[in-house]
Amino acid sequence: YELIQPPSVSVSPGQTASITCSGDKLGNKYTCWYQQKPGQSPVLVIYQDTKRPSGIPERFSGSNSGNTATLTISGTQAMDEADYYCQAWDSSHVVFGGGTKLTVL
Amino acid sequence: EVQLVESGGGLVQPGGSLRLSCAASGFTFSRYWMSWVRQAPGKGLEWVAKIKQDGSEKYYVDSVKGRFTISRDNAQNSLYLQVNSLRAEDTAVYYCARDLVGGEGAFDIWGQGTMVTVSS
Repeated sequence: YELIQPPSVSVSPGQTASITCSGDKLGNKYTCWYQQKPGQSPVLVIYQDTKRPSGIPERFSGSNSGNTATLTISGTQAMDEADYYCQAWDSSHVVFGGGTKLTVL
Repeated sequence: EVQLVESGGGLVQPGGSLRLSCAASGFTFSRYWMSWVRQAPGKGLEWVAKIKQDGSEKYYVDSVKGRFTISRDNAQNSLYLQVNSLRAEDTAVYYCARDLVGGEGAFDIWGQGTMVTVSS
């Protein structure tokens, strides 16, 4: 099973960033999203498509339908610049997308 | 404090072996599926293996089947990954991660990682 993400996305500070993740019938699976900054371990920002773990700002939200899951960051801040990975599971195996580098210009 | 601390990485020759360990603290380790996830230098995340709470179910990515073995000791709050027949492409930071939602992924706690370098 394969998850496809765009390699890079750019956004201006204060604007909305959308990062997509595509996979066959992905809407029928739960999707998670992770943020990873250079030299740091990943951080879970969205799980089960739309849920935010404790401590994750409300500007992070998720959706999942059809073949595409989307991570949306509203009012993007400079601190949100990072790599973002989507993740799902299929046949008891965990699968990650290739990652998207979010640049806040 | 909820924490995972990996150890056991290092430089090893092709064909060699290592045992990676992950010490858990601050939560009831025996209640959670646990996984190993790796990241090659400059590359993305790759799930490696996962193990059920009681160790009765284990799953592996195809590229490591037959070479890697995941295990756990709930009495010691520890997770392990025995890595054998190492190849250059196994070079990566290896993270242990707690699965928030029963084996589906959703890794809410990650360790700092331990580096494995396979080179002659």
